[in-house]
Amino acid sequence: QKEVEQDPGPLSVPEGAIVSLNCTYSNSAFQYFMWYRQYSRKGPELLMYTYSSGNKEDGRFTAQVDKSSKYISLFIRDSQPSDSATYLCAMSKYNNNDMRFGAGTRLTVKP
Amino acid sequence: NAGVTQTPKFQVLKTGQSMTLQCAQDMNHNSMYWYRQDPGMGLRLIYYSASEGTTDKGEVPNGYNVSRLNKREFSLRLESAAPSQTSVYFCASSESVELGHEQYFGPGTRLTVT
Repeated sequence: QKEVEQDPGPLSVPEGAIVSLNCTYSNSAFQYFMWYRQYSRKGPELLMYTYSSGNKEDGRFTAQVDKSSKYISLFIRDSQPSDSATYLCAMSKYNNNDMRFGAGTRLTVKP
Repeated sequence: NAGVTQTPKFQVLKTGQSMTLQCAQDMNHNSMYWYRQDPGMGLRLIYYSASEGTTDKGEVPNGYNVSRLNKREFSLRLESAAPSQTSVYFCASSESVELGHEQYFGPGTRLTVT
């Protein structure tokens, strides 16, 4: 079993839809939970991160962490065609740079 | 700022050949990393350097060596390439190990080993 599981999709939604992306994990020692966005043939870029449990909002993006269920989510409101990319979840332990990544979910937002 | 740069962008090798992938960052970061990305596997850490003068193994170090040349540069060497090393390689950096969750990635090197 992988430490981090992520549905690879692909996921296709119409412009303006609310998108929900999810990951599950098995290691309860993870404390930092990250979402990276990767455009085709580019390097990943950090969207946002959360420390421990709770929610974090940044514009149209909201990250949620439920440590009791070992489940994290990224919500995108009012999705735009420019949001079309692969979204990678990643996790690491406190004070530890060894991140474990999900396989990524490919999202397409259609105009 | 260029951020993290990688050379070359593409490379084709024959089995048994060697090559070095170069990475440089201009953000004055202390920590640098090398990952490989394979379909369905996500990104996996090969080696990292917490600070200048130190290197440590990651999740998948076999078949690779690294050199932290100075604070800016971190290279990855394949001594005898194998088809299993066909992948996209990413270099990344972070301000420190403690901020290792905030990594900045380069554009990647697409390597094919035939």
